[in-house]
Amino acid sequence: EDKVVQSPLSLVVHEGDTVTLNCSYEVTNFRSLLWYKQEKKAPTFLFMLTSSGIEKKSGRLSSILDKKELSSILNITATQTGDSAIYLCAVGHYFGSNYKLTFGKGTLLTVNP
Amino acid sequence: GAGVSQSPSNKVTEKGKDVELRCDPISGHTALYWYRQSLGQGLEFLIYFQGNSAPDKSGLPSDRFSAERTGGSVSTLTIQRTQQEDSAVYLCASSLRTGWYEQYFGPGTRLTVT
Repeated sequence: EDKVVQSPLSLVVHEGDTVTLNCSYEVTNFRSLLWYKQEKKAPTFLFMLTSSGIEKKSGRLSSILDKKELSSILNITATQTGDSAIYLCAVGHYFGSNYKLTFGKGTLLTVNP
Repeated sequence: GAGVSQSPSNKVTEKGKDVELRCDPISGHTALYWYRQSLGQGLEFLIYFQGNSAPDKSGLPSDRFSAERTGGSVSTLTIQRTQQEDSAVYLCASSLRTGWYEQYFGPGTRLTVT
């Protein structure tokens, strides 16, 4: 059974702290790993990592894919209260000729002032 | 349009009634996906369309759920004889094509079955 596991499930930090969120996966025919930020309803896209792009960075956020360990981390440095959200990890993979994204349950990050 | 739109944003219905949820993807996106998110849970994949075709319907929770897409654009998710366990946020996403492309999500429809 395909699965994506995120840890921790929730995290509370103070502004300025650095956080690391984890995602591990077991899927058939892996193609990509995506990170999303969900503040209210709609998840917003952060990064997509593939075999040809295993490290991405945007401002204070960065992510690395470890295909050997079947995992990824999302780092946020100098956290701000606006970073408070659920961070979702999703893995794009094929089953037969069909493509799907399998999501983890997410990590709820709370950044206190 | 500028982004994925969904309607209605909220829907309250009585148990046993049918509901229709609508998704309008980003113009030019050929792939469209439906997900369900229950309280405290991750996103549960329901079905996807490539064009008007849905290659795999195995993610639909029961035969009360169906979806269609016409003209390669708007999609409708229909839930017949709604049950309380159907209460969730239903999210739609679209991407340029399936596979190597990121999915862009709509704001969702919050369905409450009383």
